[in-house]
Amino acid sequence: KAGVTQTPRYLIKTRGQQVTLSCSPISGHRSVSWYQQTPGQGLQFLFEYFSETQRNKGNFPGRFSGRQFSNSRSEMNVSTLELGDSALYLCASSWGTDLYEQYFGPGTRLTVT
Amino acid sequence: QKEVEQNSGPLSVPEGAIASLNCTYSDRGSQSFFWYRQYSGKSPELIMFIYSNGDKEDGRFTAQLNKASQYVSLLIRDSQPSDSATYLCAVNPMDSNYQLIWGAGTKLIIKP
Repeated sequence: KAGVTQTPRYLIKTRGQQVTLSCSPISGHRSVSWYQQTPGQGLQFLFEYFSETQRNKGNFPGRFSGRQFSNSRSEMNVSTLELGDSALYLCASSWGTDLYEQYFGPGTRLTVT
Repeated sequence: QKEVEQNSGPLSVPEGAIASLNCTYSDRGSQSFFWYRQYSGKSPELIMFIYSNGDKEDGRFTAQLNKASQYVSLLIRDSQPSDSATYLCAVNPMDSNYQLIWGAGTKLIIKP
């Protein structure tokens, strides 16, 4: 069974630009969670989607948004990029009916210059 | 506020020895517990999960859960240099609102 895929794997953007990241979960998984990981902050929860509905959102500014499509694929968008948004962005999928184990994609490394 | 605590390390263990990683959590109603391994620059990889009190073994890995004391541990037997990584503990608390609570991770170094 194919794992979680994320595109693109690497991205370099300039301050003020916006970016869209994509995540395709494991087949059959309906929940997708997004995380930001930086060296000093560990894994920070962004949001979780299930059946196209956001069920929870972390403590991030409104510049961070996401959505989920009917095929469970998910996207996250960051508008008006700041230098501090440079991070590894991870998505994780799970069955979603209860919060059992999550499986991570390889991540998208975003660098903002 | 629900919290998960891990010693940041680094924890240095000789090759072939047992590495013991610990994690404590604040929410007594927590229901499921996960250990992830993360190599530098890579994404976390699920290596163990445990739901019931006691031990769960999978190859060289053993997860131990003690709900009364609110801790979960991971033992790695016959440690190998390839086990050198950061180990993340995650907990699914009661009323999780679909969010795992993560520890900051313990860096493990296996010395040849």
